[in-house]
Amino acid sequence: EAGVTQSPTHLIKTRGQQATLRCSPISGHTSVYWYQQALGLGLQFLLWYDEGEERNRGNFPPRFSGRQFPNYSSELNVNALELEDSALYLCASSPRAGGRSDTQYFGPGTRLTVL
Amino acid sequence: DQQVKQNSPSLSVQEGRISILNCDYTNSMFDYFLWYKKYPAEGPTFLISISSIKDKNEDGRFTVFLNKSAKHLSLHIVPSQPGDSAVYFCAARVGGGADGLTFGKGTHLIIQP
Repeated sequence: EAGVTQSPTHLIKTRGQQATLRCSPISGHTSVYWYQQALGLGLQFLLWYDEGEERNRGNFPPRFSGRQFPNYSSELNVNALELEDSALYLCASSPRAGGRSDTQYFGPGTRLTVL
Repeated sequence: DQQVKQNSPSLSVQEGRISILNCDYTNSMFDYFLWYKKYPAEGPTFLISISSIKDKNEDGRFTVFLNKSAKHLSLHIVPSQPGDSAVYFCAARVGGGADGLTFGKGTHLIIQP
């Protein structure tokens, strides 16, 4: 069974540009979570999508947004990039929303560098 | 305000011995806890989890213990193997996971030959 996939592996942008990161969940999983791991910090929850809708977001500004497609894949968009947006962005999927014991399975991440 | 804390940034253990990784939390609403392992340039890999209604869960060489009164959990790996060298993250969740997982900053486990 294929795991969570993310693209691209690396992305280099300049300040002020927009970045788009993509994630494909494990087949059969409907929930997709996005996390940011900045240097020296732990993984921070960004966004949660389920059944095509944004269900919740972490403490991040509105320029972090995304969407989930009918096939449950997801896109994370970061607008007006700032230097501190440089981080590893991880996507995770789980079988269903609200499952008390559902485990999140992570992809390999996209390393975003903002120059 | 860090709700999940892993106070040891690194831990060195001899191969074959027991590795004990610790995690403390402050939010009493957390009811599900997970441990992930991460190699460089890879995403975190799920290891083992425990519900707040239990105090122990075992899976092969990995055992997680939960002490709710102390708001403390630990991961025991026995025996430790060279492939266990990685960064281990403790994570916690409230209810159905609407707020995502809250992670600690990780402990780098180094298994010495």
